[in-house]
Amino acid sequence: QKEVEQDPGPLSVPEGAIVSLNCTYSNSAFQYFMWYRQYSRKGPELLMYTYSSGNKEDGRFTAQVDKSSKYISLFIRDSQPSDSATYLCAMSVSGGYQKVTFGIGTKLQVIP
Amino acid sequence: DSGVTQTPKHLITATGQRVTLRCSPRSGDLSVYWYQQSLDQGLQFLIQYYNGEERAKGNILERFSAQQFPDLHSELNLSSLELGDSALYFCASSGGLAGVGAYEQYFGPGTRLTVT
Repeated sequence: QKEVEQDPGPLSVPEGAIVSLNCTYSNSAFQYFMWYRQYSRKGPELLMYTYSSGNKEDGRFTAQVDKSSKYISLFIRDSQPSDSATYLCAMSVSGGYQKVTFGIGTKLQVIP
Repeated sequence: DSGVTQTPKHLITATGQRVTLRCSPRSGDLSVYWYQQSLDQGLQFLIQYYNGEERAKGNILERFSAQQFPDLHSELNLSSLELGDSALYFCASSGGLAGVGAYEQYFGPGTRLTVT
């Protein structure tokens, strides 16, 4: 079993829909939770990170962490065609000298 | 543009050969990370350097090695290449403070390696 599980999709939604992307994990020591967006043939780009449990909002994006369930989510409101990309969750035990474990990524397509 | 540069963009080589991938971090960043991305394995952490010293190691093969130079650029050396080494190799950088910033990494555009 992988430390971080993520459904690779693809996920297709109509423009304007609310998108929910999720990851589960098995390592209860994870403290930092990140979401990256990767466009085709580009490097991943950090969207947001959260420390420990709770919610964090940045514009149309909201990240949620539920450590009791070992489950994290990224919500995208009013989705746009420009949101079409692969979304990777990532986690680490600490913020410093520590490897970051990535999910395999969910491919999202927002249809105009 | 993340500010992280990687060269070359593409590399085609034969099995058994050796290649060197180069990365320059964002201005001011002292940590450099190397990742391998393949379709079936996703993004795999290889190794991290901070200000010239190795700080964390992932599933990096013995045929692979890396170093970070005094000017903070980093090189990833891949030797005795096999077909299975074909992948995208990304470099990322973070932070100026020791032990901080793994959660806020900035990725370069990657090097696509094809081993034939």
